[in-house]
Amino acid sequence: DVKVTQSSRYLVKRTGEKVFLECVQDMDHENMFWYRQDPGLGLRLIYFSYDVKMKEKGDIPEGYSVSREKKERFSLILESASTNQTSMYLCASTGTSGRAREQYFGPGTRLTVT
Amino acid sequence: GDSVTQMEGPVTLSEEAFLTINCTYTATGYPSLFWYVQYPGEGLQLLLKATKADDKGSNKGFEATYRKETTSFHLEKGSVQVSDSAVYFCALTQGSGSEKLVFGKGTKLTVNP
Repeated sequence: DVKVTQSSRYLVKRTGEKVFLECVQDMDHENMFWYRQDPGLGLRLIYFSYDVKMKEKGDIPEGYSVSREKKERFSLILESASTNQTSMYLCASTGTSGRAREQYFGPGTRLTVT
Repeated sequence: GDSVTQMEGPVTLSEEAFLTINCTYTATGYPSLFWYVQYPGEGLQLLLKATKADDKGSNKGFEATYRKETTSFHLEKGSVQVSDSAVYFCALTQGSGSEKLVFGKGTKLTVNP
């Protein structure tokens, strides 16, 4: 079974702190994604990566950066956390073989910025 | 750009009722279509998918048919159970290598005994 794990289920940080959210997948997938999920807005793509050290901005990259130094790990960084970044963050991964490839999601990290 | 519109919730049903959650999309070309489900406290998981027009995806009693003429992919189940209570997301991908998904806003379903 594919497994996508996220470093924390719940996180509380203060405004201005630097925050790291870690995601690890065990299926040797090329593509990895970070989303945020907010009520009434669904899932919005923050960044994605299609290979080690490669990244592209999604729909809402402002205030975030990412790092992918190893194929299995994709980190989301909040350089200076703000209260409007309080949200549920979901990581996902998918491979590049076959058609209509499924995205596998981690359990999510609920981040609260106070 | 591509977009997905699904019916707003929340939807509340009694056990054994019939379920329909509407989903329509706007996209160029021939996207693949998905329904994902999110149970309380969990991440999303794939429920079913369809890759071309007239394909029917099915899983766990749920089904959806890819209708290109109406650009729709409505989710149906004949008899819902309490355990089906979850948030359901319709999504599409152009499958252009990056496999980026475009999601609808989600529909929360509550099934009462």
